[in-house]
Amino acid sequence: QVQLQQSGPGLVKPSQTLSLTCAISGDSVSSNSAAWNWVRQSPSRGLEWLGRAYYRSKWYHDYALSLKSRITINPDTSKNQFSLQLDSVTPEDTALYYCVRETSPDGGFDYWGQGTLVTVSS
Amino acid sequence: QSALTQPASVSGSPGQSVTISCTGTSSDIGAYNYVSWHQQHPGKAPKLIIYAVSNRPSGVSNRFSGSKSGNTASLTISGLQAEDDANYYCSSYTRSSTWVFGGGTKLTVL
Repeated sequence: QVQLQQSGPGLVKPSQTLSLTCAISGDSVSSNSAAWNWVRQSPSRGLEWLGRAYYRSKWYHDYALSLKSRITINPDTSKNQFSLQLDSVTPEDTALYYCVRETSPDGGFDYWGQGTLVTVSS
Repeated sequence: QSALTQPASVSGSPGQSVTISCTGTSSDIGAYNYVSWHQQHPGKAPKLIIYAVSNRPSGVSNRFSGSKSGNTASLTISGLQAEDDANYYCSSYTRSSTWVFGGGTKLTVL
């Protein structure tokens, strides 16, 4: 059974960097049949896909076009986890953040983390 | 990438069937058979109920079915039950190698 356990601060100041980590059990971040995503949810924006990282003989990354200049998703094979880094946050980045496994190529988002509410406020 | 278009709300009585539509473009829904549907109850993470347009994950009721025609995907829930009262979201892979979600549909079981 795959489990995703999220960790990270729930409060970030404007202009600073949001950092979250997702620890994987029951699968490998280096799996050739999975991709590791971040999705956020807010009342104003609904569900919003942020980006993903996946391994197919080398690492690949895809990011939402609206966030491409601010976002980084990094896998950590030594700890079997992946992280989200979102730079220069504003109050509009306040949301419930989820890490999500995607079973490639067409399996959909089948496992979700528990969610982390991140508030951007001074 | 604009969000996929879903009706804000639908409703039905127990035992009835309802269909939720999800409209995109030729760059997302129309481009691939990579459309998924998720069910979300308040305070819970979304749950995958349909993937690859019409496939159900193990353990998901066969009362849930999916289809696609052109740039529009649909989710049909038959034999409505009280537990189906939830929010439903579609998602699609896009030609930009990104994913896009619909705005969500609130299903009310009367």
